[in-house]
Amino acid sequence: QAQLVESGGGVVQPGRSLRLSCAASGFTFSAYGMHWVRQAPGKGLEWVAGIWHDARDRYHTDSVKGRFIISRDNSKNTLFLQMNSLSAEDTAVYYCTRESSTSGWGAYDVWGRGTMVTVSS
Amino acid sequence: QSALTQPPSASGSPGQSVTISCTGTSSDVGGYDYVSWFQQHPGKAPKLMIYEVGQRPSGVPDRFSGSKSGNTASLTVSGLLAEDEADYYCSSYAGSNNLVFGGGTKLTVL
Repeated sequence: QAQLVESGGGVVQPGRSLRLSCAASGFTFSAYGMHWVRQAPGKGLEWVAGIWHDARDRYHTDSVKGRFIISRDNSKNTLFLQMNSLSAEDTAVYYCTRESSTSGWGAYDVWGRGTMVTVSS
Repeated sequence: QSALTQPPSASGSPGQSVTISCTGTSSDVGGYDYVSWFQQHPGKAPKLMIYEVGQRPSGVPDRFSGSKSGNTASLTVSGLLAEDEADYYCSSYAGSNNLVFGGGTKLTVL
């Protein structure tokens, strides 16, 4: 069955960088749009970024524009999130999620377990 | 983008029905039929329950239904079960390639 496994989280100092990865299996990765959604401790969900199935286009929420970049390698069935200039406000669990092939925005039908990113000095 | 407005809590007894609201604006909920609902149990990843306002993914019980009127979307859970106790989040496309979530509603089964 479809599975997503995130990795790359950890504790990082403010201003530093981190790269998250999401390994996909059990489905044709190159056929699906993919997204990152985060959840700060004890808080709600926040959409972070999305990328088309063929990487022709990608989008980021305003609070991370210029700092985060979503990308993918369809040959390796892997989604990435490059996070630069990290601040305490970026502390969260980061989820990788798949966009349903039969619908559009927000129809995220497969989720990973998430990877925790803690920004602290 | 402002978060969508959800009540912080909702509750109902087993077998009853409960409705959770999600209020936005004409720029998000009212402007598009891309409203989704997610269920999240403590320490777990979210699960898609409803998409495109009222569509249910395969495997989601028909006790869960969604609707929209104007700038407000709603999730109704009928025949409440203990396992329905969880946090519920709505989301909506907000134009300009952005998605916005609601603040979440904690559903308690009494």
